[in-house]
Amino acid sequence: KQEVTQIPAALSVPEGENLVLNCSFTDSAIYNLQWFRQDPGKGLTSLLLIQSSQREQTSGRLNASLDKSSGRSTLYIAASQPGDSATYLCAADTDKLIFGTGTRLQVFP
Amino acid sequence: SAVISQKPSRDICQRGTSLTIQCQVDSQVTMMFWYRQQPGQSLTLIATANQGSEATYESGFVIDKFPISRPNLTFSTLTVSNMSPEDSSIYLCSVLTGGTEAFFGQGTRLTVV
Repeated sequence: KQEVTQIPAALSVPEGENLVLNCSFTDSAIYNLQWFRQDPGKGLTSLLLIQSSQREQTSGRLNASLDKSSGRSTLYIAASQPGDSATYLCAADTDKLIFGTGTRLQVFP
Repeated sequence: SAVISQKPSRDICQRGTSLTIQCQVDSQVTMMFWYRQQPGQSLTLIATANQGSEATYESGFVIDKFPISRPNLTFSTLTVSNMSPEDSSIYLCSVLTGGTEAFFGQGTRLTVV
């Protein structure tokens, strides 16, 4: 049974810092790994999708890497801004999406 | 990508009543997914809805409690029946594009009093 864990559970940083959010999964037989952002009480916004054959994906200040063999993915946020404050979720796709519990990020000015 | 309109965005309901949540997609999709996110928790898949067939429910979810309709390839509804305070959650619909990338509606925040 796939289990997805995210560390840290919460993070509070000053504006401008570079951040690393971690996601680990127990079953390496995944089709892909997807990162989402969720604002309080809202739905999910897709940030990056990494196919199982890929090692990383980049979009603007975001970079996500995938190491299937070790069951890990990281989301790197460069030069963080207050607008980045949200909960970040990763999800491993093994026939269905299994979500981690998220990292709640606060970036203060 | 896909644009998903979900409504209502929020509701406060009396226990024992039912609420139907609607999800409209801007393109035709084979499968639509319904999730529940309980307070402080991550997302849990309720069921997968295919057009023209009964929804497939995950362990712990039953059709009598969460009936789903899927009348065409762009629309689905989820009903939360005979509600209790434990049903207070965010409910989200989702689709896959290209068979891989998931997109979500804005969620329905349900409070049962």
